[in-house]
Amino acid sequence: GAGVSQSPSNKVTEKGKDVELRCDPISGHTALYWYRQSLGQGLEFLIYFQGNSAPDKSGLPSDRFSAERTGGSVSTLTIQRTQQEDSAVYLCASSPRGWQPQHFGDGTRLSIL
Amino acid sequence: GNSVTQMEGPVTLSEEAFLTINCTYTATGYPSLFWYVQYPGEGLQLLLKATKADDKGSNKGFEATYRKETTSFHLEKGSVQVSDSAVYFCALSAQKLVFGQGTRLTINP
Repeated sequence: GAGVSQSPSNKVTEKGKDVELRCDPISGHTALYWYRQSLGQGLEFLIYFQGNSAPDKSGLPSDRFSAERTGGSVSTLTIQRTQQEDSAVYLCASSPRGWQPQHFGDGTRLSIL
Repeated sequence: GNSVTQMEGPVTLSEEAFLTINCTYTATGYPSLFWYVQYPGEGLQLLLKATKADDKGSNKGFEATYRKETTSFHLEKGSVQVSDSAVYFCALSAQKLVFGQGTRLTINP
């Protein structure tokens, strides 16, 4: 498809396990964002990639969270030693340039037991 | 730093009522302003945008005007429908997007 694709759509895992969430942005989009949306809450910015520049990691809540973007395309968000408070919907978005409107994926719903 | 403040929800209206969701921002420079909508069970979608002062963005009967003097971008619709029930996010863009906390809107028939 032509949109932002995220996988898996749902992930249930036990506390303490590591998880990887994947985002395939729209082809040609240089900007890629990760957000977290907890139940009933707004969007919490996590990390922002723009082209080959160093990513803006200012939103990552702890050192258990990391993300990478390989070849300027696909991105993976990794959460190590998951905690129950990590349960949320993780959204990925991309845009042609950082300041342009973002296109969002449908998100990955993460549940930590 | 840049920030966006939205009217707290939830907001509940009857069908055909007039809607206003307030949004104010703080930013250096001249950001672009956006409204995004998230329908139940779906991802976020761009609803409308305005890129400079006095611009009016419009889509699906919704409108918002970029007011630099009041640093506002309030969302309005003259006659809401049940299908407008969703969460609405105001956002500004200055190198990266900054979102408000979202306003949950419920329209009753």
